[in-house]
Amino acid sequence: GQNIDQPTEMTATEGAIVQINCTYQTSGFNGLFWYQQHAGEAPTFLSYNVLDGLEEKGRFSSFLSRSKGYSYLLLKELQMKDSASYLCAVRELGGFKTIFGAGTRLFVKA
Amino acid sequence: DAMVIQNPRYQVTQFGKPVTLSCSQTLNHNVMYWYQQKSSQAPKLLFHYYDKDFNNEADTPDNFQSRRPNTSFCFLDIRSPGLGDAAMYLCATSSGGAGGLETQYFGPGTRLLVL
Repeated sequence: GQNIDQPTEMTATEGAIVQINCTYQTSGFNGLFWYQQHAGEAPTFLSYNVLDGLEEKGRFSSFLSRSKGYSYLLLKELQMKDSASYLCAVRELGGFKTIFGAGTRLFVKA
Repeated sequence: DAMVIQNPRYQVTQFGKPVTLSCSQTLNHNVMYWYQQKSSQAPKLLFHYYDKDFNNEADTPDNFQSRRPNTSFCFLDIRSPGLGDAAMYLCATSSGGAGGLETQYFGPGTRLLVL
């Protein structure tokens, strides 16, 4: 079956580091995406992993382990504007279909 | 700026009254997607087009139809909206090129309210 699991909510403090985990089970794998979605707005692309390892992009990093069906998004130097939902999404093999998780709602407090 | 545009941003319709949501893109992307997203849930793929090739998800109700008259435009038709169809409808595009990342670019969404 197809399943993507993420924690529902997380809270962290401004300036801190937070790690958002994602585990997945899909019928095929052709890359994992992280998107940010502010309330009432459209998702925007953050990062992409297709090979195992860490991809760093400014304050955001994403890690993938294909053998474990596991990824995480690491946010450093948290800012209040980082309060949003973070969606983990897996692209299936052999087409354009992408399965989204329900998202992790991150609250950044002062 | 190249972008994905959705109109209207908010749509109110009556139970059973057909409604059409529209999406246009200036990215010249081959692939266009329609997602339904309910509060605190994952975006759910309804269907997508690769160029003119239509790909319907197995669990998309027959009540939902789509048209793509050209590369730039794609429409979502809901033939007889029910109360359960109230949601945010997101249009997205991706390049559809060989070996591409297929990062999806989303429009701002249309929030549909069914009375």
